[in-house]
Amino acid sequence: DAGVTQSPTHLIKTRGQQVTLRCSPKSGHDTVSWYQQALGQGPQFIFQYYEEEERQRGNFPDRFSGHQFPNYSSELNVNALLLGDSALYLCASSLEGQGPRFNYGYTFGSGTRLTVV
Amino acid sequence: LAKTTQPISMDSYEGQEVNITCSHNNIATNDYITWYQQFPSQGPRFIIQGYKTKVTNEVASLFIPADRKSSTLSLPRVSLSDTAVYYCLVGGAYSSASKIIFGSGTRLSIRP
Repeated sequence: DAGVTQSPTHLIKTRGQQVTLRCSPKSGHDTVSWYQQALGQGPQFIFQYYEEEERQRGNFPDRFSGHQFPNYSSELNVNALLLGDSALYLCASSLEGQGPRFNYGYTFGSGTRLTVV
Repeated sequence: LAKTTQPISMDSYEGQEVNITCSHNNIATNDYITWYQQFPSQGPRFIIQGYKTKVTNEVASLFIPADRKSSTLSLPRVSLSDTAVYYCLVGGAYSSASKIIFGSGTRLSIRP
């Protein structure tokens, strides 16, 4: 049973460029959440996608956008990159409607390490 | 969303039991308490989840007092491989729509 797959694993971009990160959720999951994790800090919630719609959003500018496809996979796009966007970007998948228990929580991928120079 | 407070760091030795306490004074009636473990350059991994009293699985125990304003993650007989950051989270009880919010976590270092 494949877990969450993210690509690429590492990426170096120049300030002002645009980047697209990809995520394939765990088999059977239909919801994808994206997090940004700066060095030494906890993951920060960017947004969540369900049924191809952005359902919730954290405190991130519009430069951060996303998409979810019919097969539940997702993309995170960041425009006009800043040095401060350098971080580990994590994708987490889950299943909507699991019932009253948040049973096994989110399943996270290993992330994409983005470096902006 | 209930805010959590954890120690920034803890040190222990192999073979010891480690207890990490998390405060969540504003926990809501419907909230569950969940702990994640994260190794460097990896995504967080679910460890254990509970609502009240005690929960135990193959890797940890979670103790939650009656008022639920705090919880304690207990790792029995730790090894070097338990060196990681541990996050306590509160919420996300009913559906995936309840986004999970991470704090700064507790950096646990295990020494030989």
